[in-house]
Amino acid sequence: QSVLTQPPSVSGAPGQRVTISCTGSSSNIGAGYDVHWYQQLPGTAPKLLIYGNSNRPSGVPDRFSGSKSGTSASLAITGLQAEDEADYYCQSYDSSLSGCWVFGGGTKLTVL
Amino acid sequence: EVQLVESGGGLVQPGGSLRLSCAASGFTFSSYWMSWVRQAPGKGLEWVANIKQDGSEKYYVDSVKGRFTISRDNAKNSLYLQMNSLRAEDTAVYYCAREGSSGYYPRDLDYWGQGTLVTVSS
Repeated sequence: QSVLTQPPSVSGAPGQRVTISCTGSSSNIGAGYDVHWYQQLPGTAPKLLIYGNSNRPSGVPDRFSGSKSGTSASLAITGLQAEDEADYYCQSYDSSLSGCWVFGGGTKLTVL
Repeated sequence: EVQLVESGGGLVQPGGSLRLSCAASGFTFSSYWMSWVRQAPGKGLEWVANIKQDGSEKYYVDSVKGRFTISRDNAKNSLYLQMNSLRAEDTAVYYCAREGSSGYYPRDLDYWGQGTLVTVSS
């Protein structure tokens, strides 16, 4: 059970817009810690998708965007494409844990 | 081009040990924090450990403290994970990842290796 909660699955038709939430608390996102997002295509390693809440690394299409507000963060994907079907994970830090980085449980995006 | 290549995975009995390696290239290895992240079969990502550029700071997830040791050799551009007292629940693909330097906290994981599978079973 992660301290960052994501919906297990979301779906959308090609061309549609979907959002994936990452809900935390006052000891992680709500404390001001940054959020990053990763995309994991089937059978491959995760890839950095959004860093610092809303920044895209070079090469990531602008169809992907991130935001953060209060104790939550969101990943939005517009103009959904078949190749977007993947697992998506948020990452942050929780001050109540003795370790370092924490991931959300992951969200499986299905393109209908 | 940044490359991270893990090796050392395999089948090990419960209570056994294994040492994972990650060979880095394409960047100045000694300038970056490095992490290990694992993913159990069909499950999500779990951060395992990280290490500062000079090896002076190391952090671990609670479930591996006292059993796993992260280390690095900057002269060899290599990252290691010594895993002792292995348990069935340590079965996972282990990824080596570079921590970014964009100034955000936590640091992002901007490059990942392809992973190496560790299976703990009798």
